[in-house]
Amino acid sequence: GQNIDQPTEMTATEGAIVQINCTYQTSGFNGLFWYQQHAGEAPTFLSYNVLDGLEEKGRFSSFLSRSKGYSYLLLKELQMKDSASYLCAAMDSNYQLIWGAGTKLIIKP
Amino acid sequence: GAVVSQHPSRVICKSGTSVKIECRSLDFQATTMFWYRQFPKQSLMLMATSNEGSKATYEQGVEKDKFLINHASLTLSTLTVTSAHPEDSSFYICSARWTSGYNEQFFGPGTRLTVL
Repeated sequence: GQNIDQPTEMTATEGAIVQINCTYQTSGFNGLFWYQQHAGEAPTFLSYNVLDGLEEKGRFSSFLSRSKGYSYLLLKELQMKDSASYLCAAMDSNYQLIWGAGTKLIIKP
Repeated sequence: GAVVSQHPSRVICKSGTSVKIECRSLDFQATTMFWYRQFPKQSLMLMATSNEGSKATYEQGVEKDKFLINHASLTLSTLTVTSAHPEDSSFYICSARWTSGYNEQFFGPGTRLTVL
């Protein structure tokens, strides 16, 4: 079957770095997405990886290892506004997104 | 980036009534739109995939006669919750796939439905 695993909740300190891991199993693979979702709002697109390696975009970076079925989202210089849920989603061979349950990130001062 | 709008943003209705939610892609054409439901503190649950000009494909466990989806144009899809009941109260989110990009989905702002 198809499955996405990511931690339920993480806590980090303002100004620090946090890494949110995601492992996936899908029927075929057309890329790995990360979305940010603040409470009561719809998800917003953060990143897309389809090739192995690290993609950096400002304070956020995303890494993919296709052979390991593994990705992580790295958030640097954490700010209070980064408190949100982070959703990992893998796109299968039918271009359908398989969603993880999301990781709730709590930032403490 | 691609913009998706959703209307209404919030609706409260009585049990037994029907509610229509509109999803529009404002600056791109979306051949495929998706409808999700999200209960508090839970992840997104895909309800159905809507392709322009054809019948929607519903996920297992989603009643197609209760959740009517119409995708009449490349920029508009509607979801009608028929004979709504309190257990249908949820956050309904649509997304549109931008095929010119990474096939990523751009989400509407969501509609919070409360059925009394």
